[in-house]
Amino acid sequence: KAGVTQTPRYLIKTRGQQVTLSCSPISGHRSVSWYQQTPGQGLQFLFEYFSETQRNKGNFPGRFSGRQFSNSRSEMNVSTLELGDSALYLCASSAKLANRYEQYFGPGTRLTVT
Amino acid sequence: GENVEQHPSTLSVQEGDSAVIKCTYSDSASNYFPWYKQELGKGPQLIIDIRSNVGEKKDQRIAVTLNKTAKHFSLHITETQPEDSAVYFCAASYHDYKLSFGAGTTVTVRA
Repeated sequence: KAGVTQTPRYLIKTRGQQVTLSCSPISGHRSVSWYQQTPGQGLQFLFEYFSETQRNKGNFPGRFSGRQFSNSRSEMNVSTLELGDSALYLCASSAKLANRYEQYFGPGTRLTVT
Repeated sequence: GENVEQHPSTLSVQEGDSAVIKCTYSDSASNYFPWYKQELGKGPQLIIDIRSNVGEKKDQRIAVTLNKTAKHFSLHITETQPEDSAVYFCAASYHDYKLSFGAGTTVTVRA
């Protein structure tokens, strides 16, 4: 079974631009969560989608948004990029089966804002 | 919100020795505690997890223990090998999809 895939793997953007990252979950998984990883703040929860609905959101500004499609693929968008948005953005998928909630991470998208 | 503290931040062990990483959490409602291993250039890989109704779980050379009263849990790696070198993260969750992570432990296994 293929794992979680994220595209693109690397991205360089300029301050003020916007960016869209994509995540394809493991086949059959309906939950997708997004995390930001930085050396200073570590791994921080951004938001989670299940059946196209955002169920929870972390403490990030409104510039960070996301969505999920009917095939469970998810995108996250960051508008008006700031230097501090440079990070590894990780997507994790979960099957949400009875009593099994393991999250499996993709390789991440490395975003550099200059 | 949940706050997870992880110690030590770095750990160097001789090949064949054991490694222990400890985490504490703040929210007594947390009931799911996974451990992840992250190698350079890769995403975190789930290596073992434990739920609050279990005190200990073992998978080959890896074991996790949980003390709900003290709100701490630990990862034990026995007979360490060079391929165990990586960054290890503990996490805690009440809503299973929202993981709160520790800061990570860089483990180096010396040959």
